[in-house]
Amino acid sequence: ETGVTQSPTHLIKTRGQQVTLRCSSQSGHNTVSWYQQALGQGPQFIFQYYREEENGRGNFPPRFSGLQFPNYSSELNVNALELDDSALYLCASSLTGRGRETQYFGPGTRLLVL
Amino acid sequence: AQSVTQLDSQVPVFEEAPVELRCNYSSSVSVYLFWYVQYPNQGLQLLLKYLSGSTLVESINGFEAEFNKSQTSFHLRKPSVHISDTAEYFCADGGSNYKLTFGKGTLLTVNP
Repeated sequence: ETGVTQSPTHLIKTRGQQVTLRCSSQSGHNTVSWYQQALGQGPQFIFQYYREEENGRGNFPPRFSGLQFPNYSSELNVNALELDDSALYLCASSLTGRGRETQYFGPGTRLLVL
Repeated sequence: AQSVTQLDSQVPVFEEAPVELRCNYSSSVSVYLFWYVQYPNQGLQLLLKYLSGSTLVESINGFEAEFNKSQTSFHLRKPSVHISDTAEYFCADGGSNYKLTFGKGTLLTVNP
């Protein structure tokens, strides 16, 4: 069974640039959730994709967007990067995304915005 | 709105001592509670979860947590910690239909 993988592991961007982060879900899972973890904080929910449709969104501006592909892998896109976007971005996969299900997390992508 | 409060940001203990990491939740709907552990420079790993049934849940590495509805708590305990337990621990509520709401985390540092 393949776990959740994310790429790249680290990324450095400058303010105003755009970034794309990628996530491959665990085998058999069709739901991907994205979280932002700022330094010293708990993860904050960005959005969730279930069978290629957005299934819920947290309190993040529209410049945070996502996509899920037919193989259930996913991308997180952030436009017009700001310094406060520096964080660890975590992807989690689950079977259907319902609250009682375990979400399995990838190792994360650490983004630094200069 | 759901919220999760972890009352201690840092908990230093000596090896082989008992430890309790505190977590309180505010959800009034279905309660699904999780404890995740994050080792340095890694993602989150599930430690244990409460969905229903027995209020005491256990993990394979000696941690246990007790769901207390009257006190809206889900504290994590271990009777004897090891150096390798040093990590950040996050309590989370899955009571919404799709997202996890996390606390701010508790850094457990086990000293020799």
